[in-house]
Amino acid sequence: DVKVTQSSRYLVKRTGEKVFLECVQDMDHENMFWYRQDPGLGLRLIYFSYDVKMKEKGDIPEGYSVSREKKERFSLILESASTNQTSMYLCASSFSGRREAFFGQGTRLTVV
Amino acid sequence: GESVGLHLPTLSVQEGDNSIINCAYSNSASDYFIWYKQESGKGPQFIIDIRSNMDKRQGQRVTVLLNKTVKHLSLQIAATQPGDSAVYFCAENIWDGNTGKLIFGQGTTLQVKP
Repeated sequence: DVKVTQSSRYLVKRTGEKVFLECVQDMDHENMFWYRQDPGLGLRLIYFSYDVKMKEKGDIPEGYSVSREKKERFSLILESASTNQTSMYLCASSFSGRREAFFGQGTRLTVV
Repeated sequence: GESVGLHLPTLSVQEGDNSIINCAYSNSASDYFIWYKQESGKGPQFIIDIRSNMDKRQGQRVTVLLNKTVKHLSLQIAATQPGDSAVYFCAENIWDGNTGKLIFGQGTTLQVKP
């Protein structure tokens, strides 16, 4: 089975902190994605990557950056956390040319 | 940007009845659609997909219908069970040069009454 693992289920951070959310997949997928999920808004794409060291902006990249130094790992970085970044963050991965994406269990981030 | 929307935020059905969850999409160039199920405390899980050159696809107890004329997608669940209670998302695949990215709708919460 495909496994996408997010490093934390729950995080509480202070405003202004630098926050790292880590995601690892074990299926050698080329593509990796970061979404945030908010009530009434569904899943919104923050950033995605189709190869090591490659990254593309999604629909809501402001306030975020990403890093993909290894194929299996995709990190989401909040440079200076703000309260409006309190949300559920979901990582996903897929094979190149295949559209089906597999999701991790999510990280619920609270910024206080 | 493009958006994918679901018609109803909540759908309540009786156990054993059939459920129909609807979705409207806006990008006529989308070539692939997926339905995901998200249970409480978990990430979305793949249910069924359909390519844009098809209008119907069946799985186990689920059927997806695609009407490209009106840009409408639906998920039908036969003999709905309590374990089907979850939030259901439709997603469309949009090619962004090098790869496809999935754009999700807002989700419909399915509540199954015993």
